[in-house]
Amino acid sequence: SQKIEQNSEALNIQEGKTATLTCNYTNYSPAYLQWYRQDPGRGPVFLLLIRENEKEKRKERLKVTFDTTLKQSLFHITASQPADSATYLCALDETGFQKLVFGTGTRLLVSP
Amino acid sequence: EAGVAQSPRYKIIEKRQSVAFWCNPISGHATLYWYQQILGQGPKLLIQFQNNGVVDDSQLPKDRFSAERLKGVDSTLKIQPAKLEDSAVYLCASSLDFGGATEAFFGQGTRLTVV
Repeated sequence: SQKIEQNSEALNIQEGKTATLTCNYTNYSPAYLQWYRQDPGRGPVFLLLIRENEKEKRKERLKVTFDTTLKQSLFHITASQPADSATYLCALDETGFQKLVFGTGTRLLVSP
Repeated sequence: EAGVAQSPRYKIIEKRQSVAFWCNPISGHATLYWYQQILGQGPKLLIQFQNNGVVDDSQLPKDRFSAERLKGVDSTLKIQPAKLEDSAVYLCASSLDFGGATEAFFGQGTRLTVV
């Protein structure tokens, strides 16, 4: 089965800077990869989906890249704000039939 | 559009007791998931349904956990008997398509504490 690795240490950045979070997987490249945001006491909320044939996807201040050679996805938040502080999870389809498996998540803390 | 509904929101039980969680997915969503999230970890998939059939339950501890999806809509997850290590948040999620790339919508979860 896939092993999905995200940096377990919290990422601390200053407001206005770009936050970059990493998601690495170990086995075959999935057809797509998803990123979710989770706030304390809440369920994850979908942010972006990127397919294997897409190198980059953008949505407002968010950007996701997908490198199937490196088996890695990078998630960027530009012009970060304290409201962006949350845990960010990457997820992929392990079977091609929407068996969504998640990484451990990276906690982002944006200081004013 | 109503989101995924879960109940109860919180539950405290003693070890060896039984407990059940309920989930009502978004109307029309064929796929339903139950995840277990231990504090500080990512969600771990327990079981995946497509309509009322089980697609994957490879990580469900079947000696104590059971789940069903009635008429392809609501679902219940049961633990019997509970162990201390079952203390976690149990998340239900649903998605529209099966076999396609669609997002999952999550409920708020049920926080279970086993004492």
